[in-house]
Amino acid sequence: SQTIHQWPATLVQPVGSPLSLECTVEGTSNPNLYWYRQAAGRGLQLLFYSVGIGQISSEVPQNLSASRPQDRQFILSSKKLLLSDSGFYLCAWSVQGAGANVLTFGAGSRLTVL
Amino acid sequence: SQQGEEDPQALSIQEGENATMNCSYKTSINNLQWYRQNSGRGLVHLILIRSNEREKHSGRLRVTLDTSKKSSSLLITASRAADTASYFCATKGGSQGNLIFGKGTKLSVKP
Repeated sequence: SQTIHQWPATLVQPVGSPLSLECTVEGTSNPNLYWYRQAAGRGLQLLFYSVGIGQISSEVPQNLSASRPQDRQFILSSKKLLLSDSGFYLCAWSVQGAGANVLTFGAGSRLTVL
Repeated sequence: SQQGEEDPQALSIQEGENATMNCSYKTSINNLQWYRQNSGRGLVHLILIRSNEREKHSGRLRVTLDTSKKSSSLLITASRAADTASYFCATKGGSQGNLIFGKGTKLSVKP
């Protein structure tokens, strides 16, 4: 069965510090991978998605970047965090080529920038 | 860009009552999905309804779709305290046709 792991679960970082959130998927190959952000009381905002190793598409230009160094690994990074980067970050995957695009989410990473 | 919008934003009911949440969307769709999110957790896929379907059931969940009105509803029958969560609808949108989520309905079921 497929599983998705996301870490760390909670992170408190000062403004200007770097960020690295990691997501890995097990039990499947060549998945579509996604990073969403959920601000308090708001919906989910798609940040990045990837259809293959090294292929990253950004939906919203901002202070963050993503990388996919391996087929089932997706990393969200920042060189210098801003207060506005605080939020709940969710990694998700879907089967590539499936028309319906049903997402399976990780448990999320809560980032607080102080 | 926002594709789906849920209504109401918050809903509070007693255990045993039915809960109805609505979703409106803007553009033509092939399918619409509903997800559930427990507080502080990731989203879980509940049900998918295709554009050629008008109603779909899964356990205590009933989803309807009206493509002429660009709207969908999620009905949870005989609600339980464990149904307390936020519920989101999602459709394809954006520049590459990825899933776009609404802001969700926060359901509270009181025992």
